[in-house]
Amino acid sequence: EIVLTQSPGTLSLSPGERATLSCRASQSVSSTYLAWYQQKPGQAPRLLIYGASSRATGIPDRFSGSGSGTDFTLTISRLEPDDFAVYYCHQYRSSPWTFGQGTKVEIK
Amino acid sequence: QVQLQESGPGLVKPSETLSLTCNVSGGSISSYYWSWIRQPPGKGLEWIGYIYNSGSTNYSPSLKSRVTISVDTSKNQFSLKLSSVTAADTAVYYCARALGGRLGELPYYWGQGTLVTVSS
Repeated sequence: EIVLTQSPGTLSLSPGERATLSCRASQSVSSTYLAWYQQKPGQAPRLLIYGASSRATGIPDRFSGSGSGTDFTLTISRLEPDDFAVYYCHQYRSSPWTFGQGTKVEIK
Repeated sequence: QVQLQESGPGLVKPSETLSLTCNVSGGSISSYYWSWIRQPPGKGLEWIGYIYNSGSTNYSPSLKSRVTISVDTSKNQFSLKLSSVTAADTAVYYCARALGGRLGELPYYWGQGTLVTVSS
């Protein structure tokens, strides 16, 4: 099983600041099969990034993904009020599919 | 517009079987990957399994002995059964559908989720 470890657990930032979220895999993951989701309280996850760096339809360009192998990053260039949420990385290359434990981006 | 809606009992007794249905509108259930994913209260996401081609399945090894996912094409819905439940199975259960194409089997459309509590 591929374990995904996200850091930090919580990121306290102000609107307008840059957020950098990390996802580290216990073994190499093909970039094709690495995604990021955003989840707000009481809502289902929403796909942000697929293929490690491609934005899903309708996702603003302030969201960007990068990385390869075992290290992946989600960057939010300038936080807007709507971006404060929990973010999960997800790999679906190897069964069982796994998710990171999440990074909460909260308002400082 | 693709929409998914979970339905089923919100309370299940320990040792019994949890049964949920995902009703699909806006597209045929005969194609794509259809997944179940759960989230214990206050915790992260856990993949349960998926079904595709109306019958091929893949389950999480940690749940495999207790899980069955099936499709009813006549009703355009798919289902989850989880047997011998315990309090550890208390969670919000989501059904999801892949977008296909370049995104392959990656869950894209999600239901709103339904909370299932295991308690006597």
